[in-house]
Amino acid sequence: DAKTTQPNSMESNEEEPVHLPCNHSTISGTDYIHWYRQLPSQGPEYVIHGLTSNVNNRMASLAIAEDRKSSTLILHRATLRDAAVYYCILYTGNQFYFGTGTSLTVIP
Amino acid sequence: EAGVAQSPRYKIIEKRQSVAFWCNPISGHATLYWYQQILGQGPKLLIQFQNNGVVDDSQLPKDRFSAERLKGVDSTLKIQPAKLEDSAVYLCASSLAAASSTEAFFGQGTRLTVV
Repeated sequence: DAKTTQPNSMESNEEEPVHLPCNHSTISGTDYIHWYRQLPSQGPEYVIHGLTSNVNNRMASLAIAEDRKSSTLILHRATLRDAAVYYCILYTGNQFYFGTGTSLTVIP
Repeated sequence: EAGVAQSPRYKIIEKRQSVAFWCNPISGHATLYWYQQILGQGPKLLIQFQNNGVVDDSQLPKDRFSAERLKGVDSTLKIQPAKLEDSAVYLCASSLAAASSTEAFFGQGTRLTVV
């Protein structure tokens, strides 16, 4: 019962910005939007999260639409180490609901 | 800061056998999660603990899966008997609290193969 929709895969050239989109049309007012990424053979790793306002941290930026029904994770300069599956997650009911994520390929 | 520790990393068993996985969360983290991740899919929550109490186990197949978190620290997840479809990576995660503004920290997982 995925609560978010993401493209299955995306490609980016190294050192270029990457915009990973996510739709969450059923989001409620108290649901936080979280992004995690998963490298091969690793557990998911926290990237960023937000509620209404855009957020920045050392890893990425999160742009949240005004109606909160979609968001975009922005990696400002993709590196080969950013190749991973990126999950957009709604934290609702005290739980993280993972979808199938977007597999990001970074081309040297 | 030490991360979430899981063991073993890999396990191969025959169907109908039993298996147990162990998780040691980050010190001080009250909330502990067990997820099942089948190849090509996102993680699916099996059970969530708050300290040593169960918050949600609605997706845990209780006829064969069990989990406990004694003293609100370490946790074990058991499968008995295992089926072929239980082949997956079992991920443990912990967070300071079950709050939407906190991040969860995941272990590397245990890869189970049932043959």
